[in-house]
Amino acid sequence: AQSVSQHNHHVILSEAASLELGCNYSYGGTVNLFWYVQYPGQHLQLLLKYFSGDPLVKGIKGFEAEFIKSKFSFNLRKPSVQWSDTAEYFCAVNADTGRRALTFGSGTRLQVQP
Amino acid sequence: GAGVSQSPSNKVTEKGKDVELRCDPISGHTALYWYRQRLGQGLEFLIYFQGNSAPDKSGLPSDRFSAERTGESVSTLTIQRTQQEDSAVYLCASSLPGSNSPLHFGNGTRLTVT
Repeated sequence: AQSVSQHNHHVILSEAASLELGCNYSYGGTVNLFWYVQYPGQHLQLLLKYFSGDPLVKGIKGFEAEFIKSKFSFNLRKPSVQWSDTAEYFCAVNADTGRRALTFGSGTRLQVQP
Repeated sequence: GAGVSQSPSNKVTEKGKDVELRCDPISGHTALYWYRQRLGQGLEFLIYFQGNSAPDKSGLPSDRFSAERTGESVSTLTIQRTQQEDSAVYLCASSLPGSNSPLHFGNGTRLTVT
């Protein structure tokens, strides 16, 4: 069965610091990869997604993620975080197993200090 | 436009009671998902609907859990004889047809079983 690992459970950064959140998945076939974000008091929303093509994908609010197939990774990055990026970030995968539902990681809570 | 709506937003119930959680998806979204998020954990898939049928119920944790969907719209998740371990946030998401369509989440129902 597919699984997703997010090793950073809680990250604290100062504003303007660079961010990289790790995401690894456990499936060797074709995958669709997603990052979702949940801001305080809001619902989960899509940050970015990868289906095929350029392995470096750009999302909203200056976020990007790189799909490295050989490492089964899809790490999220942002060069300079802002206080408003404080949120919980979830990596998710959908593999070509015929199962439609996304498998989510356990999430990373990001706290950006002003 | 209107997003995914879930009700109630909070539910406190006594152990052994039955509860019903409701989800109103975005109009036109034929796919509907239920997930559960326990405190400090990731999203746990429960069930997926395509139209009114549920081709994937593999995430339902026990026969105390059931869900239905009518009119390719509203879905109800029912938990019978609730247990304390059922305490969690129950999230509903909907999407357009197609495995690459992003999920749109509701704000969830926070269930507390005392």
